[in-house]
Amino acid sequence: LAKTTQPISMDSYEGQEVNITCSHNNIATNDYITWYQQFPSQGPRFIIQGYKTKVTNEVASLFIPADRKSSTLSLPRVSLSDTAVYYCLVGDSYSGGYNKLIFGAGTRLAVHP
Amino acid sequence: DGGITQSPKYLFRKEGQNVTLSCEQNLNHDAMYWYRQDPGQGLRLIYYSQIVNDFQKGDIAEGYSVSREKKESFPLTVTSAQKNPTAFYLCASRQGKNEKLFFGSGTQLSVL
Repeated sequence: LAKTTQPISMDSYEGQEVNITCSHNNIATNDYITWYQQFPSQGPRFIIQGYKTKVTNEVASLFIPADRKSSTLSLPRVSLSDTAVYYCLVGDSYSGGYNKLIFGAGTRLAVHP
Repeated sequence: DGGITQSPKYLFRKEGQNVTLSCEQNLNHDAMYWYRQDPGQGLRLIYYSQIVNDFQKGDIAEGYSVSREKKESFPLTVTSAQKNPTAFYLCASRQGKNEKLFFGSGTQLSVL
């Protein structure tokens, strides 16, 4: 499994763009990069997934450079409701024929008025 | 309405008691997962199952047991051997590799 490294926490203000970067130096050729958002006392929910270059949906963009050793989740014009923990998940941990899914510690984003 | 249902939302365990957390999905997903989350921490993998009648230990399986007798159900039993069971438990499922995970709303387990 490609180990991921994210900042532990970030602060922003309403209306600003927030970029959260995830490092994954050992990403495998067939690994996808997936981001999840978690609010307190809730299960994480899928935000966006990509393999290379740029992916955009209605809530976020995901930028992946050519070497794929990092990725950046971009949240445009954040609001207070974007205060949450964001997890970067890269590929599967393949062990004995089975695919595990291991989460890192995530990034705690706090959006201030 | 498709999704994953976890029950109960809150559960209390007495000393020496086994308790079972329910997880049901109607998404027709093959793979199911159980995670534990302690306050302010990330998710840790307890058990996972890729197909019916097969499951594997995650990183913190000690004190827990699971079964996968039906595709839609993956119950987790917290046994008396788990000395520190107080945590938020999350169940998830997905169709296959590189597919996104769908999570339930979680069960908060506390010790009386």
